[in-house]
Amino acid sequence: QSALTQPASVSGSPGQSISISCSGTSSDVGGYNYVSWYQQHPGKAPKIMIYAVNNRPSGVPDRFSGSKSGNTASLTISGLQAEDEAVYYCTSYTTTSPVVFGGGTRLTVL
Amino acid sequence: QVQLLESGPGLVKPSQTLSLTCTVSGGSISSGGYYWTWIRQHPGKGLEYIGYIYYSGNTYSNPSLKSRVTISVDTSKNQFSLKLSSVTAADTAVYYCARDVALTANFDYWGQGTLVTVSS
Repeated sequence: QSALTQPASVSGSPGQSISISCSGTSSDVGGYNYVSWYQQHPGKAPKIMIYAVNNRPSGVPDRFSGSKSGNTASLTISGLQAEDEAVYYCTSYTTTSPVVFGGGTRLTVL
Repeated sequence: QVQLLESGPGLVKPSQTLSLTCTVSGGSISSGGYYWTWIRQHPGKGLEYIGYIYYSGNTYSNPSLKSRVTISVDTSKNQFSLKLSSVTAADTAVYYCARDVALTANFDYWGQGTLVTVSS
C-alpha cells in the first residue's frame, strides 16, 4: 500500500502558524472523511491530535485544527509553542486496506 | 481510562517467531466497535500498519506481512496477541498496540511500545 505524502520537515517561530499537508488519492484521503493526525515526541507513542478530518479529542488544544480539500488533508497549528516540536503523521482509511500512514513530518520550532 | 500495555521478549533470534501480547485495562475488548491493532516503527522511521483483530475474531493483516502474521484475541484475559514468524533483522522495530475506533484510522489509545530486536 502506498503511503500518504507529507513534507519531510516544516518549521516556524513561536507564535506563528504552520500547516502540514497530507496528499493521497480518491481511494483514501479524498474518498473518506476518516483522516487523523498524530503527534509523536521522541521515545513516546503517537498521540491522536485530530480525527475524522477536523475533530479534536478532549484535551487537545484548539490551536490544532484539521481540514481537507479533494485528495489533500492539512493540519494547522496556530500560536506555535516549543512543546509542539515533534513528528506529525497523518493517516486515512483506505479502500485497499483499513489504514494507510503518511511518512511523517518533523516540525521544528525555531 | 483505557490503557494498553505490550509485553514480550525484547530479543528474538533470526528465523524464530516474535510473540507479543497487549493487555487492555479500563475497558473490555468485547465491548464492540473497536479494532485492536498492531503497528510497528522501525528505528528512526515512520509507522507501519501490521493488522487488527475484532473481538469476534475477525482479522486483517498487511499484505506485505500477511503470510507471517497471526493476530489472536483472548477475551477472557482482555488481551490480544501478535505472532510474526521467520523474523529477520528487518523486523527489528518498536511494536505498538492501539485501539482503532470503528476502523476509522482513529487510534485513540496506544500502548507505550516495546522494542523488539532481531539478532543472534
